[in-house]
Amino acid sequence: DADVTQTPRNRITKTGKRIMLECSQTKGHDRMYWYRQDPGLGLQLIYYSFDVKDINKGEISDGYSVSRQAQAKFSLSLESAIPNQTALYFCATSLGGPTDTQYFGPGTRLTVL
Amino acid sequence: RKEVEQDPGPFNVPEGATVAFNCTYSNSASQSFFWYRQDCRKEPKLLMSVYSSGNEDGRFTAQLNRASQYISLLIRDSKLSDSATYLCVVNGPGEYKLSFGAGTTVTVRA
Repeated sequence: DADVTQTPRNRITKTGKRIMLECSQTKGHDRMYWYRQDPGLGLQLIYYSFDVKDINKGEISDGYSVSRQAQAKFSLSLESAIPNQTALYFCATSLGGPTDTQYFGPGTRLTVL
Repeated sequence: RKEVEQDPGPFNVPEGATVAFNCTYSNSASQSFFWYRQDCRKEPKLLMSVYSSGNEDGRFTAQLNRASQYISLLIRDSKLSDSATYLCVVNGPGEYKLSFGAGTTVTVRA
């Protein structure tokens, strides 16, 4: 079984809809991250969490929110989806800081019409 | 200006060839450097960390040039399975951030 899982894997939604992307991990890592990837751009950090009580904004947090329900679960929400949020979203975990190896989930391909 | 810049390629090489490419980074305070590999539509995976003295992992060699702020990756004896996008990753700006390049695509042909 995969150590980092994401659901759903693909999602098509309409502008203005609320959507939640979920991430679960069995690696026992405290640190979790949400990134988005757009063609021609590097991964951009949306939010990160160093433990259940610690949530931090990344470089592109506007329009997104997160919830760390447990050490193993970190969810990303789009409160009111817009077309430029169409992207590939990755969840990642690391044992230590972000300079430790990051383990990525398989990604969620989100399309906002 | 992007924190990390990479030649997108693609680099098309025959099996057995050597291919090398660089990335440049803008933050002179960066201390940690990595190459990640990403197969088409899949998640990135760590290929190797890059150390100041340069390091090798099998057919892969990474070099760091702090003075010119670039990192290189060389792949020897290319295999079909080396076809992928290689992401250059650098820590910073800021203590808890990684900056990812957009990737260099390598295609190895039979």
